Amino acid sequence: EAGVTQSPTHLIKTRGQQVTLRCSPISGHTSVYWYQQALGLGLQFLLWYDEGEERNRGNFPPRFSGRQFPNYSSELNVNALELEDSALYLCASSSGAGWYNEQFFGPGTRLTVL
Amino acid sequence: ILNVEQSPQSLHVQEGDSTNFTCSFPSSNFYALHWYRWETAKSPEALFVMTLNGDEKKKGRISATLNTKEGYSYLYIKGSQPEDSATYLCAYPNTGNQFYFGTGTSLTVIP
Repeated sequence: EAGVTQSPTHLIKTRGQQVTLRCSPISGHTSVYWYQQALGLGLQFLLWYDEGEERNRGNFPPRFSGRQFPNYSSELNVNALELEDSALYLCASSSGAGWYNEQFFGPGTRLTVL
Repeated sequence: ILNVEQSPQSLHVQEGDSTNFTCSFPSSNFYALHWYRWETAKSPEALFVMTLNGDEKKKGRISATLNTKEGYSYLYIKGSQPEDSATYLCAYPNTGNQFYFGTGTSLTVIP
């Protein structure tokens, strides 16, 4: 069974640019979570999608947005990049919307903003 | 913002030693407590999802307990092996599945 995949692996952008990160969940999983791990910090919850809808978002500005497609894959968009957006972005999928469903993580996208 | 704390921040043990670490979380409105293992250059891997007070779960040499009334969970590793070296994370969801992760305990097992 294929795991969660993310693309690209690494990305270098400059301040003010826009970026799109992609995530494909495990087949059959309907929930996708996005997390940010900035340098020296723990994993911070960004967004949660389930069944194509945004269900919750963390304490991040509106320039962080995303969507989930009918096949349950997901995109994370970050507009007007700032230096502090440099981080590892992890996507995770789970088989349902319950808080008791374990999450399966992808390998992450390392974003560097110069 | 919920406070999820893990201690110690890092730990070095000899191969064969047993060890344990703690995750503390708010004791009100408990839903679940997740444990993950994150090895360097890999993705976080789910270890346990604990939902009931008094829960005790085991996977091989690793086990975890849960006390929701006092707001803590312990993770135990019996007979640590070098391959157990990783960062161990706990995560606590709120009602909207907003998962709050602790900063982790970094375990190094010295051969």
